[in-house]
Amino acid sequence: GQQLNQSPQSMFIQEGEDVSMNCTSSSIFNTWLWYKQDPGEGPVLLIALYKAGELTSNGRLTAQFGITRKDSFLNISASIPSDVGIYFCAGHFTGANSKLTFGKGITLSVRP
Amino acid sequence: EAQVTQNPRYLITVTGKKLTVTCSQNMNHEYMSWYRQDPGLGLRQIYYSMNVEVTDKGDVPEGYKVSRKEKRNFPLILESPSPNQTSLYFCASSFSNQPQHFGDGTRLSIL
Repeated sequence: GQQLNQSPQSMFIQEGEDVSMNCTSSSIFNTWLWYKQDPGEGPVLLIALYKAGELTSNGRLTAQFGITRKDSFLNISASIPSDVGIYFCAGHFTGANSKLTFGKGITLSVRP
Repeated sequence: EAQVTQNPRYLITVTGKKLTVTCSQNMNHEYMSWYRQDPGLGLRQIYYSMNVEVTDKGDVPEGYKVSRKEKRNFPLILESPSPNQTSLYFCASSFSNQPQHFGDGTRLSIL
């Protein structure tokens, strides 16, 4: 199965810094989703993007659906320690299977 | 409270001993799915179900079975578990073509 490209695998930032994460695909999607996973828990939806070019914010988080429909980015501003976790992008192409295609995730560490 | 509930959360068992991981959702979602999460590989879909009695294979279905007799439940069955099925498993549900809600995961160790 296809996977989305997320890199690097890990990121280390200082508390208060902004961070940006990219996700790219060779295929187009109708929906882009960003999830965060805390240790011992399942992924939790952060932001959903439904239209090419769409820019959506959720508190300190901002995400955009690329115009080509093959990429998306997530920005976290003024990071805090509880931002630590694994961030997954997921693409969704509406159709017979509502399957999400996931990136491999980026582990974010925030130094106090 | 809207949730996806998986049981058990942790299980250590031996090769060949049949096991079932249950998944239940209380949101009346049509769509349910199972994923496994492995280091360096992210989340990969095992099986999915579009509605009651409608199931199909995902990307890594070998060694697994599912059933969808009721809308709220979607159990994952390992008839003869093997060590390569040691993994972290997630159940998810949603309304069709909507973002999926995930359970808290089941960590399986097959010795």
